[in-house]
Amino acid sequence: DTGVSQDPRHKITKRGQNVTFRCDPISEHNRLYWYRQTLGQGPEFLTYFQNEAQLEKSRLLSDRFSAERPKGSFSTLEIQRTEQGDSAMYLCASSLESITDTQYFGPGTRLTVL
Amino acid sequence: GQQVMQIPQYQHVQEGEDFTTYCNSSTTLSNIQWYKQRPGGHPVFLIQLVKSGEVKKQKRLTFQFGEAKKNSSLHITATQTTDVGTYFCAGHFGNEKLTFGTGTRLTIIP
Repeated sequence: DTGVSQDPRHKITKRGQNVTFRCDPISEHNRLYWYRQTLGQGPEFLTYFQNEAQLEKSRLLSDRFSAERPKGSFSTLEIQRTEQGDSAMYLCASSLESITDTQYFGPGTRLTVL
Repeated sequence: GQQVMQIPQYQHVQEGEDFTTYCNSSTTLSNIQWYKQRPGGHPVFLIQLVKSGEVKKQKRLTFQFGEAKKNSSLHITATQTTDVGTYFCAGHFGNEKLTFGTGTRLTIIP
């Protein structure tokens, strides 16, 4: 499978715990995006990378959230001290070079914070 | 911030009927993209429109981009049960991030 992959697919955690999600983009794609989607809403942009550089962060990304893409390949999104409001689907997408290139989405990680 | 609105929020149609969803922005978009998300799935790219007044077709789906590049529509002819899902438009304002619309959830009555 040469698409975008995400791990885990589901995560249930207790409030206050830290969680980390992983995204593996399509191999030749330089850009990687993180989105959050809640029920009945469209995906909301969180942050994106051009290779290993994080170029933009949404104000939705509080200081409890951190994302990395250390070698310009896979990326991780960590949420510290999770809150119930963090419950959502976290989607990763990748694209070739330009911000207007087609984005291909992974299957998402569904986070439930109890 | 800049937003993309979509109507209707929900649409229930009898199988075989047509379906249309509309996307509107208050400011000019660089392009418009359409995605389909099946229940429990992730957004899947359908098409991108770039030019003012552009019309593209994919089998029973017709996509339009308005002359002012502020609105777009997706029309499905003779819906089938496989068309079930939520359809999102998404656009770029200049070179900014992709902004998604609110989505239209389509259900089909067999």
